[in-house]
Amino acid sequence: DSGVTQTPKHLITATGQRVTLRCSPRSGDLSVYWYQQSLDQGLQFLIQYYNGEERAKGNILERFSAQQFPDLHSELNLSSLELGDSALYFCASSSDRGPQETQYFGPGTRLLVL
Amino acid sequence: AQSVAQPEDQVNVAEGNPLTVKCTYSVSGNPYLFWYVQYPNRGLQFLLKYITGDNLVKGSYGFEAEFNKSQTSFHLKKPSALVSDSALYFCAVRGVRGQNFVFGPGTRLSVLP
Repeated sequence: DSGVTQTPKHLITATGQRVTLRCSPRSGDLSVYWYQQSLDQGLQFLIQYYNGEERAKGNILERFSAQQFPDLHSELNLSSLELGDSALYFCASSSDRGPQETQYFGPGTRLLVL
Repeated sequence: AQSVAQPEDQVNVAEGNPLTVKCTYSVSGNPYLFWYVQYPNRGLQFLLKYITGDNLVKGSYGFEAEFNKSQTSFHLKKPSALVSDSALYFCAVRGVRGQNFVFGPGTRLSVLP
């Protein structure tokens, strides 16, 4: 158990809908990272938050957004969903005291868009 | 730009035999290198990392990895494979300037009884 929690585990929705994925980092970790894992694209970095502020952006679509709250949990919002958004979404957390710090991953949310 | 290559999509090895999962990287300056393992329907689990110092890094579950700067490689090894080692393995790199993690495409390891 990494100490990172994600809810829900599974999500089934329809095209055009909006969903919210939630992540709670390990105790003491200030950074949260979001990743998308799909069969054809591998593990893609989406976005990073550090202590409530956006720190880095990766291959995140404009239809997707995220935020980190004062208690350090984070939410990833996916809107106007398309079939191709079906994937595993992971969050990871890190203390980020330096670039050598390890990222610890949650169990993921499996999203299926029908 | 940073990049990671895992040249083998699939590695098959017999139980009890040594295993190697290959990783090569490209990054400006000195790298931080990581290996993760993903079991079915699970998140990625950290195995080991190279920061500096000894080129042979030991990690969880009997795995080790060898950093080779001249070949820009960080191959994952285990002396004696177990069936339970069957999983998807990811190599990742991060530069010392704190750039984001870049993950390789993953290598599926199958250990046959």
